[in-house]
Amino acid sequence: EAGVAQSPRYKIIEKRQSVAFWCNPISGHATLYWYQQILGQGPKLLIQFQNNGVVDDSQLPKDRFSAERLKGVDSTLKIQPAKLEDSAVYLCASNHFEASGSYEQYFGPGTRLTVT
Amino acid sequence: AQSVTQLGSHVSVSEGALVLLRCNYSSSVPPYLFWYVQYPNQGLQLLLKYTSAATLVKGINGFEAEFKKSETSFHLTKPSAHMSDAAEYFCAVSSMKTSYDKVIFGPGTSLSVIP
Repeated sequence: EAGVAQSPRYKIIEKRQSVAFWCNPISGHATLYWYQQILGQGPKLLIQFQNNGVVDDSQLPKDRFSAERLKGVDSTLKIQPAKLEDSAVYLCASNHFEASGSYEQYFGPGTRLTVT
Repeated sequence: AQSVTQLGSHVSVSEGALVLLRCNYSSSVPPYLFWYVQYPNQGLQLLLKYTSAATLVKGINGFEAEFKKSETSFHLTKPSAHMSDAAEYFCAVSSMKTSYDKVIFGPGTSLSVIP
């Protein structure tokens, strides 16, 4: 089966610009996660979707970050305006706990964002 | 609240030597514990998981981990390191009562394997 797809893989922008990332989870996976991974740190959950509804966005900086998951499949994460501290790898993951009882999250390759 | 501590941000071992990566957790409920590996420019891949069954868990690529409740530990080991094991390793904890529950990741340990 195809894995979690993310694009773009790399993005360089100037501060105060906007940027969007796209994620296509594994087919049939109801749960989708966006993580921020700053260099030298573990992934930090930004937002979790169950189908097209938000389950947890408590750590999403809502003044500049937004995310949506239309039709419960693909998802986009947007930053507007970007700050220097947003430089990180943005990871998307999906899970099909309800169908399989598996706790494993499947991760995409990530988008490396550099804000200059 | 749950948290994970990984002792040693960087570990170096010789090829063929024992690999030991340390993980200690804090959880107010029975934990589910995970080890993930991340190769350069890739996402995370599950190595193994503890879900309250056997305390000694075997994973992929010859890795295993032992859950020790009394020590709140879940250390990752491999008897003989291979060059291909060089990567970043993350320990993670969750209550996992439902898929809504968060997975909390540790800061990671970078493993280098010296030929």
